Amino acid sequence: AQKITQTQPGMFVQEKEAVTLDCTYDTSDQSYGLFWYKQPSSGEMIFLIYQGSYDEQNATEGRYSLNFQKARKSANLVISASQLGDSAMYFCAMTGYGNKLVFGAGTILRVKS
Amino acid sequence: SQTIHQWPATLVQPVGSPLSLECTVEGTSNPNLYWYRQAAGRGLQLLFYSVGIGQISSEVPQNLSASRPQDRQFILSSKKLLLSDSGFYLCAWSMGARSPLHFGNGTRLTVT
Repeated sequence: AQKITQTQPGMFVQEKEAVTLDCTYDTSDQSYGLFWYKQPSSGEMIFLIYQGSYDEQNATEGRYSLNFQKARKSANLVISASQLGDSAMYFCAMTGYGNKLVFGAGTILRVKS
Repeated sequence: SQTIHQWPATLVQPVGSPLSLECTVEGTSNPNLYWYRQAAGRGLQLLFYSVGIGQISSEVPQNLSASRPQDRQFILSSKKLLLSDSGFYLCAWSMGARSPLHFGNGTRLTVT
């Protein structure tokens, strides 16, 4: 069974600095996808970035990048130049050969001015 | 473009009452559909998913059920709500296991 672990319940970062949110995963599948979502206090789930298990390059989307280390089974999210609007809950998730997306427990990020 | 509609946004129901939450997707065909539940301050728990009309997979045994009467319609139901059914319910769709899930705005259910 697939499992996602996010060990940081909460993180603080100073505005304009970079922050890394940790995510490790466990799966026996060879082909899988890794996702990061942002959930503001309004509750909506916003897709941020995707990394496929066979992708050789780390995924990037604007200020978001995914530090994918396959041997370590980690898929950390890096947010550069943090903004106050980045304050939210962040979820790491994965899917394998099935059609299910399994989520981690999430990390609350607070950006300080 | 594709859109997903989920309603109602909030719902307060007494214990023992029935439940029906509806979700519809526009702008795509044969999507995978999902129901997730999120307890306050917690992660998302997959309840049901469907890869086609009439095809429902249940992930967690409970007093909830799901149905997909049409290609782009997904319904979450209960005959008798429990206090433990309170939570934030999210409907989502995707076009496959490697595609991101796109979520509705959610329904905040409070069972009293």
